[in-house]
Parts: sequence; structure tokens; C-alpha cells
Amino acid sequence: GAVVSQHPSRVICKSGTSVKIECRSLDFQATTMFWYRQFPKQSLMLMATSNEGSKATYEQGVEKDKFLINHASLTLSTLTVTSAHPEDSSFYICSAKMRGSSPLHFGNGTRLTVT
Amino acid sequence: AQSVSQHNHHVILSEAASLELGCNYSYGGTVNLFWYVQYPGQHLQLLLKYFSGDPLVKGIKGFEAEFIKSKFSFNLRKPSVQWSDTAEYFCAVSTSGTYKYIFGTGTRLKVLA
Repeated sequence: GAVVSQHPSRVICKSGTSVKIECRSLDFQATTMFWYRQFPKQSLMLMATSNEGSKATYEQGVEKDKFLINHASLTLSTLTVTSAHPEDSSFYICSAKMRGSSPLHFGNGTRLTVT
Repeated sequence: AQSVSQHNHHVILSEAASLELGCNYSYGGTVNLFWYVQYPGQHLQLLLKYFSGDPLVKGIKGFEAEFIKSKFSFNLRKPSVQWSDTAEYFCAVSTSGTYKYIFGTGTRLKVLA
């Protein structure tokens, strides 16, 4: 149980274009979803927290206009990287949790390469 | 600000050796503690968690961790590692009442057959 599906697993896009990454909880209702970014040989950096039906809460230093997060339902959250630049190339990971004190469940991540 | 430190970045062990990976955190309040594992090419998976109660927590695949509040530590242990334990291990902390997880930098474990 508690499967999180993230799509696509890899994407290559040209500078200036936008990319949408989907995160779905397949067998549970995710009241809260988190988006992380992982740089090579570094830890996961929390970008934002999204609760179903409300605006995402962004961490300090994360541009909310650049990384648009939508959590329209209890099973789906999307991260859109707008006007992508090469420095946005990274590994993006979503995670989801059920209501209350439950652990996070992670998607497989998306490797974004901006050329 | 809260932080999580994993002091061992790379660990190489032979099969059957004992393992201990260190994790320290900085936060004075009540915390929830986690160890996640990421096998090559796979997503992060929960190994074990501590919310309250017995500070010695047993997880999957023979792993255990001990929460020592006075030392702000949550070290991961396994008495005898296997080649299949080769993976990256992340310690994470969330403060009670919030759901934000802070991760350590990870420890890459390689077990030699």
C-alpha cells in the first residue's frame, strides 16, 4: 500500500519552456504533498508544502512564480517549472502523506534537464 | 533552524559486518524521527520511524535505531549487513505538530560480497 506515482521520470526541455510534473497517490488520500529538489551528492531540499484545496507554502528562497504547485484533489499534485533555465536542471521528488502523524511516501522522482 | 547531520558520507563494509550510521539533529522540542533507504534506481522507502514510546525502534530488513534524547541522536544499526543492503540511507526529522521533514545529506553504503 501507500504508493506514490510520479510522472514523467525523465524530461528534457529547451530553455524558456515550461514543464509539468505530476504526483499521484494511488491507494490513499494525500492530504499533504511535499515537493523536494535534490542536487547531486546533496540532501533533499524541501521546496514547498501543498495541502489539498489551498495554496502551497513555499520555503524561503524558492520562487513561487517559477515553481507553480497545484494540489487540486486528494490524489494529485502538480509542479510546473515555468520558463525553465539550465540551472533548474535537477532531480525533483514528490512525497505524500495521509492525515495525521504518518510517514511520507515518495515518488520515484523526475530528472529534469534543461538545454 | 532545524538541521540534521549524518556524519558518514560513504561507508564500505564486507558482508556480515555490523553497521552503525550516525544521525544527529538540532531541535529542542518534540520530534518524529525517520530513516529512509534508497536502493539504486528506486524511490525512497521508509525503513523505520520513531514517534514516541520505546526509544529502540525495529524496522524492516533487520534494521533498528535508537533514539537518545540527551544526545539528539537517532543512529541506525544492523548487526550483520548483506550485499543487498547497498543503498543510500537518509535520516529525517519532523517536529511534532508539523509535517515538514528535514533530511540529512545521506550516507552511501556499499557492501562487498
